[in-house]
Amino acid sequence: DQQVKQNSPSLSVQEGRISILNCDYTNSMFDYFLWYKKYPAEGPTFLISISSIKDKNEDGRFTVFLNKSAKHLSLHIVPSQPGDSAVYFCAASGDSGNTPLVFGKGTRLSVIA
Amino acid sequence: EAGVAQSPRYKIIEKRQSVAFWCNPISGHATLYWYQQILGQGPKLLIQFQNNGVVDDSQLPKDRFSAERLKGVDSTLKIQPAKLEDSAVYLCASSLLWGSEAFFGQGTRLTVV
Repeated sequence: DQQVKQNSPSLSVQEGRISILNCDYTNSMFDYFLWYKKYPAEGPTFLISISSIKDKNEDGRFTVFLNKSAKHLSLHIVPSQPGDSAVYFCAASGDSGNTPLVFGKGTRLSVIA
Repeated sequence: EAGVAQSPRYKIIEKRQSVAFWCNPISGHATLYWYQQILGQGPKLLIQFQNNGVVDDSQLPKDRFSAERLKGVDSTLKIQPAKLEDSAVYLCASSLLWGSEAFFGQGTRLTVV
């Protein structure tokens, strides 16, 4: 049973446009959500997080939106750059982040120059 | 600040052989995690340490996998005997506090033939 789902295995976006990566979760106990970025042959790198008490968190070009009623979150990258090409993992935990992270399968983003 | 160090980077072994991975977390990080990432999947938690005590090992196949964290710093993960389905990238991560963002090492890619 997959508790964190990233239904799009891949996404291609033109440089300068918006990239929107989606994530759905099923466990209503999750209250802390993170996005990680992974380049080939490297470990995942933390990108941005959001607590369930908020519905939006912004950091530069990256914004994460959380819709608790729909159990859905999304990562927006504006504007997209070729260096953003990577695999993006959505992760979730419960108890204010005190339970282990559960990861989705990832979405491969390709930003085309 | 030095990141999470893992060795070796790559390992190829025959099935039924034994293998060990080493991890040195970021200095001062009390929480250490071992994740298994099978190709096309997100990272799956194997074991979580808080200092040198095990917090969660519910997904660790204990008949063949073992892990220890000596003196609350370095950690080793061992597989004995290895199976073909153990082929994966083994990621070590650490965090300052239980529930804060985890920082990942580059991982060890294990191939069992």
